[in-house]
Amino acid sequence: EAQVTQNPRYLITVTGKKLTVTCSQNMNHEYMSWYRQDPGLGLRQIYYSMNVEVTDKGDVPEGYKVSRKEKRNFPLILESPSPNQTSLYFCASSRLAGGPAAGEQFFGPGTRLTVL
Amino acid sequence: GDSVTQMEGPVTLSEEAFLTINCTYTATGYPSLFWYVQYPGEGLQLLLKATKADDKGSNKGFEATYRKETTSFHLEKGSVQVSDSAVYFCALSSSASKIIFGSGTRLSIRP
Repeated sequence: EAQVTQNPRYLITVTGKKLTVTCSQNMNHEYMSWYRQDPGLGLRQIYYSMNVEVTDKGDVPEGYKVSRKEKRNFPLILESPSPNQTSLYFCASSRLAGGPAAGEQFFGPGTRLTVL
Repeated sequence: GDSVTQMEGPVTLSEEAFLTINCTYTATGYPSLFWYVQYPGEGLQLLLKATKADDKGSNKGFEATYRKETTSFHLEKGSVQVSDSAVYFCALSSSASKIIFGSGTRLSIRP
């Protein structure tokens, strides 16, 4: 089954404790992206990757890091989480040829993060 | 920069009512336009799309027409069901690297 998986689905942590949210897709997609969803703000892009070893900032990259060492994986790293990073996070992937402009993005189920 | 504005929710309707969720956009060039749907506890799914002016996207009884003259892409359905309860996002993309989402409209359908 074609899918994007994220782990963990729920996480409660404390300020300053490094954490990683994993994202994996099994569709051989070149493009992957991380978003955060906050009430009234919709989805905002954090980082995206056009292919292995190619990453770039989205609209709200501060406080986050990513890496793309393999095509299928795109982890999101919070080196020193703060309460304002409490949010619902989504990973998404698509083929580059179609890409976001073609609308064929596939989303993971989301990770709800709470930073105390 | 590019942006999407959609009507605020929540929208509450009775089953079999007619649905309209308004969406307008600002963009340079000729973006592709989309509606995504998010069911409770799930990620977003593409509902429909239109890639050029006057195109009509349709899926599951939902429709939206790309209106360049009014920069709009309103979502409509003639008869909603309880199972349509979800959050709906209007979005646009004019590049290979980015898609911009509206703030979302929560729809609740009463039996």
